[in-house]
Amino acid sequence: EVQLVQSGAEVKKPGDSLKISCKASGYSFTDYWIGWVRQKPGKGLEWMGIIYPGYSETRYGPSFQGHVTISVDTSITSAFLQWDSLSDSDTAIFFCARARTAWDPSDPFDIWGQGTPVTVSS
Amino acid sequence: DIVMTQSPDSLAVSLGERATINCKSSQSLLYASNNKNYLAWYQHKPGQPPKLLIYGASVRESGVPDRFSGSGSETDFALTINNVQAEDVAVYYCQQYFNDPPYSFGPGTKLEIK
Repeated sequence: EVQLVQSGAEVKKPGDSLKISCKASGYSFTDYWIGWVRQKPGKGLEWMGIIYPGYSETRYGPSFQGHVTISVDTSITSAFLQWDSLSDSDTAIFFCARARTAWDPSDPFDIWGQGTPVTVSS
Repeated sequence: DIVMTQSPDSLAVSLGERATINCKSSQSLLYASNNKNYLAWYQHKPGQPPKLLIYGASVRESGVPDRFSGSGSETDFALTINNVQAEDVAVYYCQQYFNDPPYSFGPGTKLEIK
């Protein structure tokens, strides 16, 4: 079964660092782009960025460039979303998702992780 | 960057009726070389991840009931849900994935039962 399993909920303070994970299984991890999507409380979906695990090419949305880092570890078929310094405005649910077609970033997301809630509060 | 808009923000329909959600992009999503529209629709229920319904503007994802259909081209698109069921209550998003990132989502349309 193709699936993405994300790490659990996080509660952090402003200024903390954080790295959440997305474990892929059931398919060739290095062949499909993986992306991250944010949903703030009561708001819609926001496209954050994508990475190609085959050679770690990464593309970010303009609102997220410089604020988060997307990475992968192919040895454990996992993608990561990382913050060096969280702020209150980072409180959201974060979804990882796989592009539908191998090798093609220009594709919708067909497989989604369950979401990781992140709460940032002093 | 491409900006996506949706209308209405929310709609309420009776069980068994038809619901139509509209999506507009700030530039054409039709790729001339393959005549494909780079537009997808998702269904998002609370507490669950989004679910891909439609891609290529009109191609139903495997397992999606045929009462869901997509239409449109270039900058104007629609998602139609025929014979609306109680389990269709959700927020529906369009997304463009044309050319280079970012692949923006629309703001969403909330579907409720009247």
